[in-house]
Amino acid sequence: NAGVTQTPKFRVLKTGQSMTLLCAQDMNHEYMYWYRQDPGMGLRLIHYSVGEGTTAKGEVPDGYNVSRLKKQNFLLGLESAAPSQTSVYFCASSPSGGGAGGLREQYFGPGTRLTVT
Amino acid sequence: GNSVTQMEGPVTLSEEAFLTINCTYTATGYPSLFWYVQYPGEGLQLLLKATKADDKGSNKGFEATYRKETTSFHLEKGSVQVSDSAVYFCALSGVDSNYQLIWGAGTKLIIKP
Repeated sequence: NAGVTQTPKFRVLKTGQSMTLLCAQDMNHEYMYWYRQDPGMGLRLIHYSVGEGTTAKGEVPDGYNVSRLKKQNFLLGLESAAPSQTSVYFCASSPSGGGAGGLREQYFGPGTRLTVT
Repeated sequence: GNSVTQMEGPVTLSEEAFLTINCTYTATGYPSLFWYVQYPGEGLQLLLKATKADDKGSNKGFEATYRKETTSFHLEKGSVQVSDSAVYFCALSGVDSNYQLIWGAGTKLIIKP
């Protein structure tokens, strides 16, 4: 049971280049998330998905696109990278439902460190 | 709307000291509350959680009690170790938002031997 995995671990891009980050989970979770983490700013939600074939915008969606074609995978795309997108990107997943208290806990991948020059 | 406020860091302590990291929240109803920990170079992992008022979550010597009257979920440990050095995040899941966690900014903890 690998949990949540992310590919690649590190990447350096030049301004204007594109790339796709891959997140995979083997826990059969319905919900998946993409966050970015910048120094002193905690976690900010980029996009999320509540099931296969669905996606929704989070707090900071501009400049990113996502797809959830298979339940176990959640892809994050940067069409034209900018230096402001230099960050550490985390994927997370969560089982659906939560009863009266809301969401169940999220499980995180190890992160992708992206530098845009 | 829902929000989480954590004490600013870094918090620097000596080994075996008592730790408190404050977390207060704003939310309607009875949210679920979480503490996550991020060790250097790693992703976040759940440390403990509480889903209703007066619940106490505990794990690895850490504890936090869900206080509805003070809207708080402070993290405590009686005797910290160097290996506890990490960033700690408080988060809540609101009853009106089953899809998202609301995150605090994180508190960096440094333990000196």
